[in-house]
Amino acid sequence: DTAVSQTPKYLVTQMGNDKSIKCEQNLGHDTMYWYKQDSKKFLKIMFSYNNKELIINETVPNRFSPKSPDKAHLNLHINSLELGDSAVYFCASSLLGVNTEAFFGQGTRLTVV
Amino acid sequence: DAKTTQPTSMDCAEGRAANLPCNHSTISGNEYVYWYRQIHSQGPQYIIHGLKNNETNEMASLIITEDRKSSTLILPHATLRDTAVYYCIVRLNNAGNMLTFGGGTRLMVKP
Repeated sequence: DTAVSQTPKYLVTQMGNDKSIKCEQNLGHDTMYWYKQDSKKFLKIMFSYNNKELIINETVPNRFSPKSPDKAHLNLHINSLELGDSAVYFCASSLLGVNTEAFFGQGTRLTVV
Repeated sequence: DAKTTQPTSMDCAEGRAANLPCNHSTISGNEYVYWYRQIHSQGPQYIIHGLKNNETNEMASLIITEDRKSSTLILPHATLRDTAVYYCIVRLNNAGNMLTFGGGTRLMVKP
């Protein structure tokens, strides 16, 4: 079983559209994250979320919003997509606390045309 | 989180040990050193972490200098499947996993 799974793996869409990327983890973790990897291959944290707190990287446009229907899911909604949103988006999960490691999904490659 | 400095790229012969250095001269006393790697087209994968003492697991060894200003990740017998970008990250262990990734070291294992 895949520990952290994302769907879809590839997403091609037009500018201005609204899209969602789903993420599910079956590890029993209490915290989930979204990261963005741009064309230069830099990985940047976008959000950290557990059932108590949402931490947002202040550089993330408010067109991006995480939605968590339950502890095992953290979906990423993107409104009014722009060309610059094209990137690979990674979901991750972990336990919040000491000596924990993060598990990452396989990524969703978003292409905005 | 403290900043880290890593070489941009390294080569290693298959079967030999790969030693990946990382400088973190501004590390504070309660910050841990974490290593992750990213194989092409995959998500990052946790390797190992440590605070002061050297650590070893089934994947690698982590050697941290006594002053904690630098560390070395050792892959004892590198294989072609170890070709990846290796990230050294310094973070507070109570800060969740909002990891701050740098540029990493691109390790190429050659036959």
